[in-house]
Amino acid sequence: GENVEQHPSTLSVQEGDSAVIKCTYSDSASNYFPWYKQELGKGPQLIIDIRSNVGEKKDQRIAVTLNKTAKHFSLHITETQPEDSAVYFCAARAGSWGKLQFGAGTQVVVTP
Amino acid sequence: GAGVSQSPSNKVTEKGKDVELRCDPISGHTALYWYRQSLGQGLEFLIYFQGNSAPDKSGLPSDRFSAERTGGSVSTLTIQRTQQEDSAVYLCASSRPQGAPENEQFFGPGTRLTVL
Repeated sequence: GENVEQHPSTLSVQEGDSAVIKCTYSDSASNYFPWYKQELGKGPQLIIDIRSNVGEKKDQRIAVTLNKTAKHFSLHITETQPEDSAVYFCAARAGSWGKLQFGAGTQVVVTP
Repeated sequence: GAGVSQSPSNKVTEKGKDVELRCDPISGHTALYWYRQSLGQGLEFLIYFQGNSAPDKSGLPSDRFSAERTGGSVSTLTIQRTQQEDSAVYLCASSRPQGAPENEQFFGPGTRLTVL
């Protein structure tokens, strides 16, 4: 089955700097890669996703890149703000529906 | 519109008791998922319902765990004879019908289960 690894487990950045989280997956059939943000006491919230037919996607300060050959994808947050502090999860799925396989999460702390 | 709702938000039970956790998906979402999140861990898939199809139960950790979905909407996750290792946050998610162009999973706030 699919296995998703996520690094780093914790990330501390100064406000205004960039943050990068990296994930690798094992199943070459995976074609959908969402990123979720989870704040304390809340459920995960989708922030951006990418499908295997594109290599990069941007939404304001957030971008995701995908390298299908190497089977890895990354989340990039630019100009970080204190409200970006949360746990971020990457995930992968093979097919158009069904279960997501999640990474272990990255605790991001943005210090003013 | 209303998001995915779950109840109760917190549940404390004694080892050996049965518990039921409820999920109300977003209206019109025919796919429903249960995940488990242990402290400081990622999300672990438990079970997936899609319309009238047989559910994907491949993630259920033991036969003490079961789930049903009545009328294609509300779902209940039941854990029988709870054990301390069942303590976790149980998350429910829903998504649009299979084949819909946008089918991201929307999560509820979760039920925090503590087994004493």
